[in-house]
Amino acid sequence: DQQVKQNSPSLSVQEGRISILNCDYTNSMFDYFLWYKKYPAEGPTFLISISSIKDKNEDGRFTVFLNKSAKHLSLHIVPSQPGDSAVYFCAARSGANNLFFGTGTRLTVIP
Amino acid sequence: NAGVTQTPKFQVLKTGQSMTLQCAQDMNHEYMSWYRQDPGMGLRLIHYSVGAGITDQGEVPNGYNVSRSTTEDFPLRLLSAAPSQTSVYFCASSYSWGGGTYEKLFFGSGTQLSVL
Repeated sequence: DQQVKQNSPSLSVQEGRISILNCDYTNSMFDYFLWYKKYPAEGPTFLISISSIKDKNEDGRFTVFLNKSAKHLSLHIVPSQPGDSAVYFCAARSGANNLFFGTGTRLTVIP
Repeated sequence: NAGVTQTPKFQVLKTGQSMTLQCAQDMNHEYMSWYRQDPGMGLRLIHYSVGAGITDQGEVPNGYNVSRSTTEDFPLRLLSAAPSQTSVYFCASSYSWGGGTYEKLFFGSGTQLSVL
């Protein structure tokens, strides 16, 4: 049973506009959430994270929002750039337990 | 800075063959893990290690063995390959794990394995 879900397999956005990638989770014990970015033929790389004690974390063009009551988090990329085109994975963990990953969303930023 | 190095990048096996996927990291990370990525399934944890001499099972351990004799190396062994093990395999490491330390994972570039 998938504990972390990314229901949109793909997303296309015009360069300069906002990209919003969504992630839902079912385990209320998750207390730390991460986003990873993956280019073809490469391993995932860490992008941004958020602890459950926060509802927002920002790093440059990337902002992650956490809505604990809805068990939902989102990644906003503003402005989107062609180099942001990649697969984005949402991941979550509780305490010292291992990470659970979503199935990924392929973002295409159109020049 | 090599980071996490996986070999080979590609491998084709016949059903029943055995092989070892190699993983090495040069960051003195205590935690190492193996994931497999399948279409529509995301990344799933196979085995992990929190230090030399310590290994444990993840979400999908059947058909795989691991050992951790050194901090640097964490090989993944397929005992008798099956077509269901066709996947992309990623090794990942982090400085530490658990105890309230939220360490991010560093991934290798992956091994594409096909079992015929």
